[in-house]
Amino acid sequence: QITLEESGPTLVKATQTLTLTCSFSGFSISSSEVGVGWIRQPPGKALEWLALFYLHDDKRYNPSLMSRLTLTKDTSKNQVVLTMTNMDPVDTATYYCARRRQAAGVSTYYFDYWGQGILVTVSS
Amino acid sequence: DIQLTQSPSFLSASVGDRVTITCRASRGISSYLAWYQQKPGKAPKLLIYAASTLQSGVPSRFSGSGSGTEFTLTISNLQPEDFATFYCQQLNSYPLTFGGGTKVEIK
Repeated sequence: QITLEESGPTLVKATQTLTLTCSFSGFSISSSEVGVGWIRQPPGKALEWLALFYLHDDKRYNPSLMSRLTLTKDTSKNQVVLTMTNMDPVDTATYYCARRRQAAGVSTYYFDYWGQGILVTVSS
Repeated sequence: DIQLTQSPSFLSASVGDRVTITCRASRGISSYLAWYQQKPGKAPKLLIYAASTLQSGVPSRFSGSGSGTEFTLTISNLQPEDFATFYCQQLNSYPLTFGGGTKVEIK
């Protein structure tokens, strides 16, 4: 059974650093076919992709936030950690982690399993 | 960045209806498009990937088509559990981007 779960603070103050942990089970990110990504969604708004671990140790970040984001992983604990610095009230959102899976037979991928999300509120 | 424009942003439909949602990309993305369904307070659920491949376990009333810059998600015989918000996502190039969403409500 594949599961992902986000954990971390639900309330941070402006200028602080947010650290979120994605704990997963049922798969390994040591596989070249699998990665873990982070996506967020402000209340009532659309989804926004933040960052992605893939192909073992490769990372990709959304350029609009790249200077503030850092991805790390602990393969032995099956965890991926997202750090976002200098938080602002506009960063208030539900943060999701999701499994990236390479599609079989075609050169594309998708996010097939998602955590339930964690609502992070940034106070001014 | 590749912009994805979904239309309509909102639609009202009845159980049993056939519904079509369009997603247009600002430049060609081949078939590197996925569709997700999201219900209030829940995480998105993958419906379709590679523009037209149905994810395992998703009912066959959902279908996707298109390539290049124009894509459609069709729900035939709309069911009560289908009322939700739908998002397209391009996976052709970074940054990955999502459409603005289409909310399907009960008429």
